Amino acid sequence: KNEVEQSPQNLTAQEGEFITINCSYSVGISALHWLQQHPGGGIVSLFMLSSGKKKHGRLIATINIQEKHSSLHITASHPRDSAVYICAVRYYNTDKLIFGTGTRLQVFP
Amino acid sequence: GAGVSQSPSNKVTEKGKDVELRCDPISGHTALYWYRQRLGQGLEFLIYFQGNSAPDKSGLPSDRFSAERTGESVSTLTIQRTQQEDSAVYLCASSLVGGENGGELFFGEGSRLTVL
Repeated sequence: KNEVEQSPQNLTAQEGEFITINCSYSVGISALHWLQQHPGGGIVSLFMLSSGKKKHGRLIATINIQEKHSSLHITASHPRDSAVYICAVRYYNTDKLIFGTGTRLQVFP
Repeated sequence: GAGVSQSPSNKVTEKGKDVELRCDPISGHTALYWYRQRLGQGLEFLIYFQGNSAPDKSGLPSDRFSAERTGESVSTLTIQRTQQEDSAVYLCASSLVGGENGGELFFGEGSRLTVL
């Protein structure tokens, strides 16, 4: 079992739909990252969070430390949101990062 | 520079040759990570540095892989006697440690290695 599990692995949506991507982990962490990787490979950090909720534009990330679970939400999805979304956890007291396998999102017009 | 810089961006080599990949992190970032991503697959942890030391080398696939970091700055990932299965994009990321903004990750564009 991977230490970081993401679901779903693949997701298709129509433009405008509300999207949720989930991440579960099994170790004690100090922080969780949500990353975006576009076709062509570049990776961009979307959020880093250790508790609660963060919002940036149409993106919202939440984390529940007790349940070892995080969600990334995209409101009013757009074709330019099409990318792979990756969850990564930073182990507590170290800087080791473990990545989930990613969720491939395709948003159609 | 303003971001994480990796070189070369593309490298094609023959099986059995050695390659060196370089990462220039953002100035002042004490944590530096190496990952690789094979075609169509997820990110695979290789090694990370805290300053110039590497607390965790568990991700290095074999003894053909080594990495070093000097001056809490540039890092070099060396692959000796390359094999075709080493073909991948090798990604570097850096972050500050601690502080309000500590931990946010910044990625380089990667070095695409093709072993023929």
